[in-house]
Amino acid sequence: GAGVSQTPSNKVTEKGKYVELRCDPISGHTALYWYRQSLGQGPEFLIYFQGTGAADDSGLPNDRFFAVRPEGSVSTLKIQRTERGDSAVYLCASSLTSTSDQFFGPGTRLTVL
Amino acid sequence: GESVGLHLPTLSVQEGDNSIINCAYSNSASDYFIWYKQESGKGPQFIIDIRSNMDKRQGQRVTVLLNKTVKHLSLQIAATQPGDSAVYFCAENNNQGGKLIFGQGTELSVKP
Repeated sequence: GAGVSQTPSNKVTEKGKYVELRCDPISGHTALYWYRQSLGQGPEFLIYFQGTGAADDSGLPNDRFFAVRPEGSVSTLKIQRTERGDSAVYLCASSLTSTSDQFFGPGTRLTVL
Repeated sequence: GESVGLHLPTLSVQEGDNSIINCAYSNSASDYFIWYKQESGKGPQFIIDIRSNMDKRQGQRVTVLLNKTVKHLSLQIAATQPGDSAVYFCAENNNQGGKLIFGQGTELSVKP
């Protein structure tokens, strides 16, 4: 079956611009996660959804970052007024429940010039 | 803060040898540990997991060992193959919902 998909695979933007990153989880998975991975580092937790609601957003670095999952399936990570330090690979994962194994998508590489 | 870390950033092994990748964790409340494999340009791929009520779990060519006394986790790969070359991460769930905390990773290089 289809795994987690993320679009776009690469995004180049200019400092100050707004970007949206999309995640399509595995069908039927109720939990969805966003992580950020900098070069040479492990993924860093950003936010986790159980259904439509954000169950834990403690990893969002500041109020420029926001994520939604309006119908409990697809999720969008939104970054306002991008900064060069936002450059990273943004990973999405989903799991059947919050205590099940998480399966990751290929990530979106964001580059802020 | 508490975190998961790895002892060695790189590991080089000969094809056919066994590989052992280590991980130390500091949160004794964590009850679930996972090993992921990440190839260049791809997302982490689930390998194997282990719950805190176990000390060993085996998969296909992989074994995870958990030593709660010294808070140590290891991944053993039998008969390492060139396709095993990747960065390996351990991660822990510290009972805070689904949030995973990842270590820095170990890069495994397999020489033919």
